[in-house]
This record gives sequence, C-alpha cells and structure tokens, in this order.
Amino acid sequence: GQQLNQSPQSMFIQEGEDVSMNCTSSSIFNTWLWYKQEPGEGPVLLIALYKAGELTSNGRLTAQFGITRKDSFLNISASIPSDVGIYFCALTTSGTYKYIFGTGTRLKVLA
Amino acid sequence: KAGVTQTPRYLIKTRGQQVTLSCSPISGHRSVSWYQQTPGQGLQFLFEYFSETQRNKGNFPGRFSGRQFSNSRSEMNVSTLELGDSALYLCASSTGQGPAFYGYTFGSGTRLTVV
Repeated sequence: GQQLNQSPQSMFIQEGEDVSMNCTSSSIFNTWLWYKQEPGEGPVLLIALYKAGELTSNGRLTAQFGITRKDSFLNISASIPSDVGIYFCALTTSGTYKYIFGTGTRLKVLA
Repeated sequence: KAGVTQTPRYLIKTRGQQVTLSCSPISGHRSVSWYQQTPGQGLQFLFEYFSETQRNKGNFPGRFSGRQFSNSRSEMNVSTLELGDSALYLCASSTGQGPAFYGYTFGSGTRLTVV
C-alpha cells in the first residue's frame, strides 16, 4: 500500500526559531495538505497544495508541493508558543474520497 | 456557521459491547468521513459517505459500519468491541465535490475507551 513518511517525528525548538518538516510518499498524488492538531481537538487544515511545484503561504507558514509530486515540506517562521501541536501531512487523489495521513511531527516550542 | 459536532465526546465501553457514535456536519456539507486515530497507527480512514451513499471504505473489519441520513448526519457503529478499538474517532465534513472536497473540517472527536 501507499507509504507516507513524515519527518522529523518530534521537534523541540526555542521561540523565534524557524521550523521545517517534510513528507515523502512512495506514490504520486495530486493533492497535498497540511494539518495541525492541538490536544483534545481534531486536525485543522493549514494549507492545501494542488499543483506540482506550487508554493503557498499562510501567514508564517509556507508549504511546497514537490515537482516530483512525491514530497512536500512545511516551514514555520519565527515560531511562537501557540505553534505547539502535531502537524500532519495528508495526501489524496481525486475520486478516492479519502486521505492518507502521515505519522505526524510533534512540535514543542520553548519560551 | 456551526462546526462539525461529534457526540459523545467521551465513552467507556466493555469488551464485547457495541457502540454508536454520531456526527453532524457543517450545514450544507454533504460528505462525512470517519477516521480512527491511535498513537500507534495514526489517522486511519474508515469510510466516507456522500448523500447517504458510501463512496469509499478503509481496511477495517466488518465490525465497523456506518450510515448517513438524508440530513447528512452520520453515525458509525462498532460491534463486539475489542480492547484495540480504543481510539479517538474523528469525523470530517466537506462539500464532497470538486476541489472543495479537500477542505475537510474535522470535529473534536469521540474518545472511546474499551475496558
């Protein structure tokens, strides 16, 4: 089946630092999404990417859809304490009506 | 507009029992998807419903079933509960069509503990 590798598994960073995480898949997909999940809540969509090579920003967050369509990264600039949570990448292909989620990157920000 | 509502938030059941979880999607959304989240397996797709029809199903045993009503509300049922069914069950709603499908909105989940 499809494999979705997300790294790193966890990160401890100082407030103000930049963060980078990435996902790679064993297959080609046509949509990449990045979600954030806070304790006790469901994941919240941060960024959606639909085209190979696409670079999209949402405030301090920037994500790119790799040109091979098998990878994506998410960057967070100037981290703040409320960035704490688990970040998931997710893939889907039109017509399947489902997502495949990465294993998540747990981010902790030290003030 | 109101978000995705899942009930109950917490549930404790005994092995062998059955359980029904409920999800009310965002008004106007016709697609409801269910996911199981565990520390070991992460988020795993259970099934997706659109206009009362199941369009896709994940690799879960037949003990896991679902349905969707004409008002788009959905329920999932797990029969003959096992300890390994302990998890956070998440429901997500979307319009279900076109690129907007990808804009899932998740509920806060139902935390099921099987003892």
